[in-house]
Amino acid sequence: AQSVTQLDSQVPVFEEAPVELRCNYSSSVSVYLFWYVQYPNQGLQLLLKYLSGSTLVESINGFEAEFNKSQTSFHLRKPSVHISDTAEYFCAVTTNNAGNMLTFGGGTRLMVKP
Amino acid sequence: NAGVMQNPRHLVRRRGQEARLRCSPMKGHSHVYWYRQLPEEGLKFMVYLQKENIIDESGMPKERFSAEFPKEGPSILRIQQVVRGDSAAYFCASSPLGAATDTQYFGPGTRLTVL
Repeated sequence: AQSVTQLDSQVPVFEEAPVELRCNYSSSVSVYLFWYVQYPNQGLQLLLKYLSGSTLVESINGFEAEFNKSQTSFHLRKPSVHISDTAEYFCAVTTNNAGNMLTFGGGTRLMVKP
Repeated sequence: NAGVMQNPRHLVRRRGQEARLRCSPMKGHSHVYWYRQLPEEGLKFMVYLQKENIIDESGMPKERFSAEFPKEGPSILRIQQVVRGDSAAYFCASSPLGAATDTQYFGPGTRLTVL
C-alpha cells in the first residue's frame, strides 16, 4: 500500500515571495504523482502530474514540482506567489496495482498575504 | 464540454434518514470514483465504478453505504440511516480510460450535514 505525507498543514507567505509545499510518499512499487488545488467550497483541480520521463514537471500558472526517487519526494514550488494562489493543495499518489485509487496527503493550506 | 456534475451541492439530513448523492461524469468518461473528505482532512477513497460494475469498494464502510453506476443515468452514492459522523464533503471524480495514469476530474462535491 502507498501513503502520502504533507509535512506542513499551513504555509503563510507574503505575496511575490517564493514558496515550497512539501510532499513525501511511501510505496514499494513505481508511482504516479499528482498535485491538486482546491479553492474554498470547490472541487479539486489538477495542477500537475508526474508519470514518467523528466523529473521536473510544470503547470501553466507557474508552479513546478520535482520527482525525487531517492528522497521519495514530490515537492511543489513557485518562485513568486500571488494572492489568488491562496488555496488548499493536495499531493496524491497511485500505482499500477492500486486499482486507480488515489491516495491523498492531508493537504497544505497556502495563505498568501499582501 | 461540461465537467463532472454533482447534486445536490448541499444536503442536510437528520440522524436516521437516507442520503442520496448523484454524480454525472464528464462526457465520454465511463469510470467514476467517490472520495470522502472529513473536516480538516484529505480525501479518502471510497469506491471505483464502471458502468453497471463495482470495480473496487475497498474504501466503503461495511454497513449503510452503497454505490451504483447504472447503464443510464448518474452514479449514486447512498447512505442509509445517516449518523453525525457521516457529515463530510463527498467528491466524485471521473476518468476516460480507467488507467492509473489517467487524470481524475473532480466535481464540486456534495456537502452533507447530519443534524
